[in-house]
Amino acid sequence: ETGVTQSPTHLIKTRGQQVTLRCSSQSGHNTVSWYQQALGQGPQFIFQYYREEENGRGNFPPRFSGLQFPNYSSELNVNALELDDSALYLCASSLDPPGQTRPDTQYFGPGTRLTVL
Amino acid sequence: LAKTTQPISMDSYEGQEVNITCSHNNIATNDYITWYQQFPSQGPRFIIQGYKTKVTNEVASLFIPADRKSSTLSLPRVSLSDTAVYYCLVGDSSRYNQGGKLIFGQGTELSVKP
Repeated sequence: ETGVTQSPTHLIKTRGQQVTLRCSSQSGHNTVSWYQQALGQGPQFIFQYYREEENGRGNFPPRFSGLQFPNYSSELNVNALELDDSALYLCASSLDPPGQTRPDTQYFGPGTRLTVL
Repeated sequence: LAKTTQPISMDSYEGQEVNITCSHNNIATNDYITWYQQFPSQGPRFIIQGYKTKVTNEVASLFIPADRKSSTLSLPRVSLSDTAVYYCLVGDSSRYNQGGKLIFGQGTELSVKP
């Protein structure tokens, strides 16, 4: 139990639609990262937020966007859904702010399984 | 960021010690080695992290030779509940690495049998 929760658990959308996924981080964790995990693959970094500002982005198009709120919750928004967006979406929170001397320990939620038809 | 290579799958039996080796030939001076565990339908979970020599915690041990070009995760006396995918990650801190992102490979799928 990491204290990180995500909603919904499962979601089915059709191509072209928009989706919002939600994450609630551990209290006190000001850094949240989002990952996409396709079936049989390791998670791929989408972006990270620190204190409501984007702090790094992976190789994902602009239709993937995010928000972080002061109450330790965050959102991942995906516009114009494509079939290849079907995946498990994971959020992870960490206590350490950016700029530490060793990699953060990231605490993952259980994920949201998105299916695009 | 250093690329890692680890076996795609491993089989073991309950009560055995399991060693999973990860190769990272181009590891950089600032890089740490971190292992995560992932059960089906769950997010990854931090197991252990090290820079050099040996690190041990209540779950596992991590052995890192002097040249740091490989590392070995050791799980003592595995049980059925240790069946999971194990990821070896090599990377530096968010001070150097944009956003402090974690770079996952395909991982090692460990299957523990009775």
